[in-house]
Parts: sequence; structure tokens; C-alpha cells
Amino acid sequence: AQTVTQSQPEMSVQEAETVTLSCTYDTSENNYYLFWYKQPPSRQMILVIRQEAYKQQNATENRFSVNFQKAAKSFSLKISDSQLGDTAMYFCAFTERDDAYKLSFGAGTTVTVRA
Amino acid sequence: NAGVTQTPKFQVLKTGQSMTLQCAQDMNHEYMSWYRQDPGMGLRLIHYSVGAGITDQGEVPNGYNVSRSTTEDFPLRLLSAAPSQTSVYFCASSRGGENQPQHFGDGTRLSIL
Repeated sequence: AQTVTQSQPEMSVQEAETVTLSCTYDTSENNYYLFWYKQPPSRQMILVIRQEAYKQQNATENRFSVNFQKAAKSFSLKISDSQLGDTAMYFCAFTERDDAYKLSFGAGTTVTVRA
Repeated sequence: NAGVTQTPKFQVLKTGQSMTLQCAQDMNHEYMSWYRQDPGMGLRLIHYSVGAGITDQGEVPNGYNVSRSTTEDFPLRLLSAAPSQTSVYFCASSRGGENQPQHFGDGTRLSIL
């Protein structure tokens, strides 16, 4: 079974500043996908960004970007220009290429953006 | 555009009672999954389905039953509720094929007394 580790239970950042969330994973597969999901207090699970393992280029979605280091099995999320609406729990998730319906999640990082 | 709909949103049960959590999607997605979310543990896969009539176990299947008679619906049944099943339950769906992200419902908060 794959394991996903998020070593930072909580992080706090000032509005407009940058915060980076770490995620490491363990797999013997070469083809897989990585995701970051956001869960605000409303409890919804919202896809933030995704990365295909075969792509060298790091994914970017507006203020959200990742640093994907395949050899190190690391997948960090950077939130730039943090906004109050970014306050949420963030989950790193992994799935093998052929098992898109079976996500493995990390324990989550709670991000609080301070005004 | 409803997406993935879960009912109920909240439920309290007594130990030993049975219950069905409903999940329906209107996106014609092949894949559907059930997860539970517990504090400090992220989401864990209970059961999943890759199409109507096909289901399989995930990481934590004990005490739960599923069926998939139609593409749209994927109910989760608790056979005899236990306090350890107190959790938030999420249903998700996705298209078949590679790199298709899962779309989640809003979750059901279930408390077993």
C-alpha cells in the first residue's frame, strides 16, 4: 500500500505572504498522479492542483504551485499571496495510474491565514 | 449541476442499528468510492466501484456493505453500527481513464452512541 506523509499538522501565515506545505510519499510505481485537495470549514473537498508523475514540469494553478521532486518522492504545495479564504485543511493525495478511483491521503495540514 | 449528492448530512445512531448512507451522481461517472475521515488520519478508502455491478474493498471495509445496481447510485450500508464507525463519510466519483480527478460530495457526519 502507498503511504502519504504530511509532517506539518498546522501552519500559520500572514495575509499576502507565502506558505509551503510539505508532502512525501512512498511507492514502487513509476506512473502515478499526485493531488492537493483543500477542505475549508464547510467540509467540502476541493481539488486545488494535480501533477502527473511522468511530467517534469511543475503544475501551477493561479496562486498555487507545486514542487515535484520524483527521485525524492516529494510533492510540496506553495500558496503565494495568501488570502483569508485560503484558511482550510489541505490534503496531499496519491493514486496509481490504473487506480484513479483509489486515492491515498495524507493526514492533512491545517493552514490559518491571519489578517 | 448537482454533481455528487450525499444524504443525510448528519445522523445519530445507537450501537447495533443499521443504516444506509446514500450517494448519487449525475455526471455519468464510471468510478465511485466511499471514504471515511477521522481526525489526524486523513481520508481512508472503504469500498469502491468501477462500474454498475462491480464493487471491491478498500483499506477499511469491515462493517460496511455496498452495491452498485445503477451508474448513478452507490449506497453504503452499516450493518450493525459501532462507536468506532463514528466519522465523516465522503462519497466521490470520477470518469474512467487516466488522470481523472475525483469529485466529492459534501459528506455525512455520523455519530454512533
